[in-house]
Amino acid sequence: AQSVTQPDIHITVSEGASLELRCNYSYGATPYLFWYVQSPGQGLQLLLKYFSGDTLVQGIKGFEAEFKRSQSSFNLRKPSVHWSDAAEYFCAVSTYSGGGADGLTFGKGTHLIIQP
Amino acid sequence: EPEVTQTPSHQVTQMGQEVILRCVPISNHLYFYWYRQILGQKVEFLVSFYNNEISEKSEIFDDQFSVERPDGSNFTLKIRSTKLEDSAMYFCASSEIRPFAYGYTFGSGTRLTVV
Repeated sequence: AQSVTQPDIHITVSEGASLELRCNYSYGATPYLFWYVQSPGQGLQLLLKYFSGDTLVQGIKGFEAEFKRSQSSFNLRKPSVHWSDAAEYFCAVSTYSGGGADGLTFGKGTHLIIQP
Repeated sequence: EPEVTQTPSHQVTQMGQEVILRCVPISNHLYFYWYRQILGQKVEFLVSFYNNEISEKSEIFDDQFSVERPDGSNFTLKIRSTKLEDSAMYFCASSEIRPFAYGYTFGSGTRLTVV
């Protein structure tokens, strides 16, 4: 069965510093990978996705992620964080296998704290 | 930007009572989903719905759960006899096309507390 691991429950970063959130997945087939962000009281917003092709994908709000098949990873990065980036970040893998299933399996999330 | 709307934002119910969580997906979307997130745990898939029927459901989605699209705009999740462990944030999501490569649009969630 597929699974997603986000090893960091909390990360604290200074405003203006770079950020990397880790995500590892376990899935037998070609994965479709996503990063979502959840601000307090808000729903889950799609930051970016990997489907195929270029392994470095660009998303909204200045985020990017790199798919590394050899490491089963899809880490999220941002060169310079802003206080408004403080939120919960979720990595997810699609379970789609062509047979009809299309749910997402989520990681437990990483809580990002931005300090002044 | 189009939104998925969920009501109510918070609901408190007594154990054993029935609850209906409501969602209004984006108007031209065809695929509908419910997820839940127990406090401190990961977001979990419950059910997907397409063409007026369930297309996939998880082990969590047992006989006490049901979904319905009663009027072409609303998409509801009913829990027939709530249990304490049903306390969670429930998210509705929708997608115009199969979301495996595109992702969904999520609502802001309904926080259900069973007492």
